[in-house]
Order: sequence, then structure tokens, then C-alpha cells
Amino acid sequence: AQSVTQLGSHVSVSEGALVLLRCNYSSSVPPYLFWYVQYPNQGLQLLLKYTTGATLVKGINGFEAEFKKSETSFHLTKPSAHMSDAAEYFCAVSEDSGYSTLTFGKGTMLLVSP
Amino acid sequence: GAGVSQSPSNKVTEKGKDVELRCDPISGHTALYWYRQRLGQGLEFLIYFQGNSAPDKSGLPSDRFSAERTGESVSTLTIQRTQQEDSAVYLCASSLAPGVSTDTQYFGPGTRLTVL
Repeated sequence: AQSVTQLGSHVSVSEGALVLLRCNYSSSVPPYLFWYVQYPNQGLQLLLKYTTGATLVKGINGFEAEFKKSETSFHLTKPSAHMSDAAEYFCAVSEDSGYSTLTFGKGTMLLVSP
Repeated sequence: GAGVSQSPSNKVTEKGKDVELRCDPISGHTALYWYRQRLGQGLEFLIYFQGNSAPDKSGLPSDRFSAERTGESVSTLTIQRTQQEDSAVYLCASSLAPGVSTDTQYFGPGTRLTVL
């Protein structure tokens, strides 16, 4: 069975600072990995995903994530935080089982202060 | 519309009542998923529909939960005899090509269910 662990239910950064949101997964087969963002009162929006190929994945809004198989990690980063980045971020994993049911982490709320 | 839509956006009900939640997927998307998001928790998979295949109901928490989908269009999630622990945001997603590595699930805004 697959699972996702997101370290830290809340992460606080100052505007302009580096954003690092941690995600570790377990999977019995090569995984597909996703980061979604959820703004208040909105649905989830895909930030980026890793399927195959290059392990450094670039997404929308300046975010990127690196798949590290040896560490079973897929941490999300952004060099410089904006106030508009304040939201909840979910890491998810799926296995190539014929369809793409996602297993989600519990989410990390990113707080950005001026 | 361009995205996944869900209705109602909010639903308050009394314990023991039945509720129906609706999802309109993106036109042409063959796959439809329901998830539940409890306060402070990640999303829990509930049920998956793909075309005319039998749905994957492995995530439904009890027999009070059921869902239907007509063809590749609207889906309805029904919760019978609601309990307070059913209070959550219910999210629907659709995708174009499940099983393909480039497939992406697109989520609706959710229905917030509160059981008093």
C-alpha cells in the first residue's frame, strides 16, 4: 500500500524567503508524485507532477520539486515566497495500476508574513 | 463550463437525514473520482468511475454511502442516515485518460457537509 507523509502541518515564512515543504512517500512500485495547492474555499489545483524522466520538475507559480528515489522524497520548493502563496499544499502519490487513484498527505498550511 | 462543478457548495443537515451531492465533470472526461476531506486531514478516496466499467467502491466507509454516474456525465454521491462524523468537504475530480502517465485529476470546489 502507498502512503504519504508531509512533515509539518503549518510552515511559516517571510515574504521573499525560501519555501520548503517536505513530502515523503512509500510505494511498492515506481510512483507518480503530485503537489496540489488549495486556496481558501477553492478546489485543489495541480502545481506539478512527476511521472518519468527528469527528476527535477518545474510547476506553476515558480514552484519546483525534486524526486529523490533513494530518500523516497518529493519536497516542494520556491526560491522566494509571495504573499499570494499562502494556501494549503497537498502531496499525493499514485501507482500505475491502470488508473490514477491518488493517496494524499494530510497537507501543509503555508503562512507568509510581510 | 470549463471546470468541474459541484452542488450544493454548502449543506447543513440533521443527523439521520439523507443527503445527495452532485458533481458535473469536465466534458469528455471519462474518469470521475469522489474524495472526502475531513478537518485537518488529507483527502480520502471514496469511489472511482471509469466509463462503463464497474466502479471501484473500495474507499466507501460504510454501506450508508453510495454513488451513481450516468454514462460519462453527472455523478451523485448519496449519504443515508447521516452521522456527525460524516461532516467533511466532499470533493469530486475528473480526468481524461486514467492510467496514462500524463493524466491529471481536475478538482471541483467541493461541497461542505455539516451534520448537526
